[in-house]
Amino acid sequence: GDSVTQMEGPVTLSEEAFLTINCTYTATGYPSLFWYVQYPGEGLQLLLKATKADDKGSNKGFEATYRKETTSFHLEKGSVQVSDSAVYFCALTIMDSNYQLIWGAGTKLIIKP
Amino acid sequence: GAGVSQSPSNKVTEKGKDVELRCDPISGHTALYWYRQRLGQGLEFLIYFQGNSAPDKSGLPSDRFSAERTGESVSTLTIQRTQQEDSAVYLCASSLRQHYGYTFGSGTRLTVV
Repeated sequence: GDSVTQMEGPVTLSEEAFLTINCTYTATGYPSLFWYVQYPGEGLQLLLKATKADDKGSNKGFEATYRKETTSFHLEKGSVQVSDSAVYFCALTIMDSNYQLIWGAGTKLIIKP
Repeated sequence: GAGVSQSPSNKVTEKGKDVELRCDPISGHTALYWYRQRLGQGLEFLIYFQGNSAPDKSGLPSDRFSAERTGESVSTLTIQRTQQEDSAVYLCASSLRQHYGYTFGSGTRLTVV
């Protein structure tokens, strides 16, 4: 079946460090891929998305490239800030299915000053 | 409205009581989703509406859970005879098109005591 696997957290980094959160997927159809972020005490927000192979989604300094050959959608940021501390969820939806987002388990990111 | 609105934001109820959770999606969004998020865990799919129909109710944990949607707008999630294990944040999301991603509400934090 369709699934999303994320690296386990928590991931702890110092401010200004380079961030990578790995996400790989299995999909029976042709997926669109998403990263959502949940800041402490807040709801889920769409961070970025990519709808076809080789697309790069970007927002707030974060980037992720849809890699069909490696079935991956890794989240990266060149220089993290304390305010980036949150839980990050990778998700996919299959274009020829009807509705659902398939979610990864989430990765907690902690940035220390 | 400008975003997805959920009410109440917090609900404390006694075990055995019934509760109703409300979701107002973004105007024009035909797809509406309910998820549950237990403390420190990922998202658990409950039910999806396309218009006023629910093609898949398989995520509802038990027959104590039900949901309806009217006017392709407001949705209500009802939990009867609440149990302590029902304590969680209940999230609602809506979407215009599947691959656009979801817009989430801030959630209802339900505590069963």
